[in-house]
Amino acid sequence: DVKVTQSSRYLVKRTGEKVFLECVQDMDHENMFWYRQDPGLGLRLIYFSYDVKMKEKGDIPEGYSVSREKKERFSLILESASTNQTSMYLCASNGVNSPLHFGNGTRLTVT
Amino acid sequence: AQSVTQPDIHITVSEGASLELRCNYSYGATPYLFWYVQSPGQGLQLLLKYFSGDTLVQGIKGFEAEFKRSQSSFNLRKPSVHWSDAAEYFCAVGDQTGANNLFFGTGTRLTVIP
Repeated sequence: DVKVTQSSRYLVKRTGEKVFLECVQDMDHENMFWYRQDPGLGLRLIYFSYDVKMKEKGDIPEGYSVSREKKERFSLILESASTNQTSMYLCASNGVNSPLHFGNGTRLTVT
Repeated sequence: AQSVTQPDIHITVSEGASLELRCNYSYGATPYLFWYVQSPGQGLQLLLKYFSGDTLVQGIKGFEAEFKRSQSSFNLRKPSVHWSDAAEYFCAVGDQTGANNLFFGTGTRLTVIP
């Protein structure tokens, strides 16, 4: 079974802090994604990556950056956390012509 | 523009009753369609997918969905709901490359009463 692991289930950070959310997948998938999930808004794509060191903006990239130094790891970075970034963050991965596999999510609270 | 509409925000059904969750999509190319389920505090799990072929697709946990191109719909059904089916359900549409970038609906929350 594909496993997508997000390093933290819950995080509480202060406004202005730099925040790293880590995601690792074990199926050698080419593609990795970061979504945020908010009530009534569904899932919105922040960034995705098709290959190591490659990244593409999704629908809501403002205030975020990403890093993919190794194929299995995709990090989401909040350079200066703000309260409107309080949300559930979901990482996902897939290979060519395969569905997305999701991690269990990181619930981030910014105070 | 690509979009997915799940018109029901919240549905309540009795255990043992049948279930249908609605999904309508707008997509410029041949759609690849998915249903995901999310239990509280968890990530999303794939229930079923439609790429091509038979328009009635079977998934896990006894779910099925029917693709109707003329209605741009991909409704999810289950003949008899179990209490463990209580969760949030998301419909999604992607492109022919294998759904590398999915568009998600806003979800339907299912409550199951005894």
